[in-house]
Amino acid sequence: NAGVMQNPRHLVRRRGQEARLRCSPMKGHSHVYWYRQLPEEGLKFMVYLQKENIIDESGMPKERFSAEFPKEGPSILRIQQVVRGDSAAYFCASSPTVTGSITGANVLTFGAGSRLTVL
Amino acid sequence: DQQVKQNSPSLSVQEGRISILNCDYTNSMFDYFLWYKKYPAEGPTFLISISSIKDKNEDGRFTVFLNKSAKHLSLHIVPSQPGDSAVYFCAASAEQTGANNLFFGTGTRLTVIP
Repeated sequence: NAGVMQNPRHLVRRRGQEARLRCSPMKGHSHVYWYRQLPEEGLKFMVYLQKENIIDESGMPKERFSAEFPKEGPSILRIQQVVRGDSAAYFCASSPTVTGSITGANVLTFGAGSRLTVL
Repeated sequence: DQQVKQNSPSLSVQEGRISILNCDYTNSMFDYFLWYKKYPAEGPTFLISISSIKDKNEDGRFTVFLNKSAKHLSLHIVPSQPGDSAVYFCAASAEQTGANNLFFGTGTRLTVIP
């Protein structure tokens, strides 16, 4: 039973290029979250998606960033025209239902992350 | 605006002794708290959680304490083992408001010295 799979693990881009990060949730999980960890900081929520729907993108920068979770295939976080400040570790997490239930059963399971370096 | 704070970036403890990691939060709407552990080059893994209706939750060597009036929680690890060396993140959510995301602290790097 594979966990949350993210690829690529490392991605190097030059300023102005596009970065695409992929995330396949755990089997049976229908909720996907993207988090970003900048150097020396904690994980910051970016976006929460269900299949074919963006539920909450309140943490996503308004420009250049987009996310999707199509009916078939992995969730994709796309960053257009990357800048040096986009260099970070991007973590995907999945859950079977909305996290934080009273029973504590629905915690997030994280992938190993994708480290983006912008030159 | 850091709503979850871990003021100690690092902690060193001798093997066999107790490790105490602290976390403070500012949002009184938070009602569910979690600790995640992260090894280098891996994603965070869930360790233990506590609901705001409790003040203590224990799981083996790990115990989380919640002090709602002080908006403070702590993770106790006893006895500490070298394999516990990792970065520990405190996280919180406001489940009753229907919020979908977790707010994370900046992490505390625990080093357990053999």
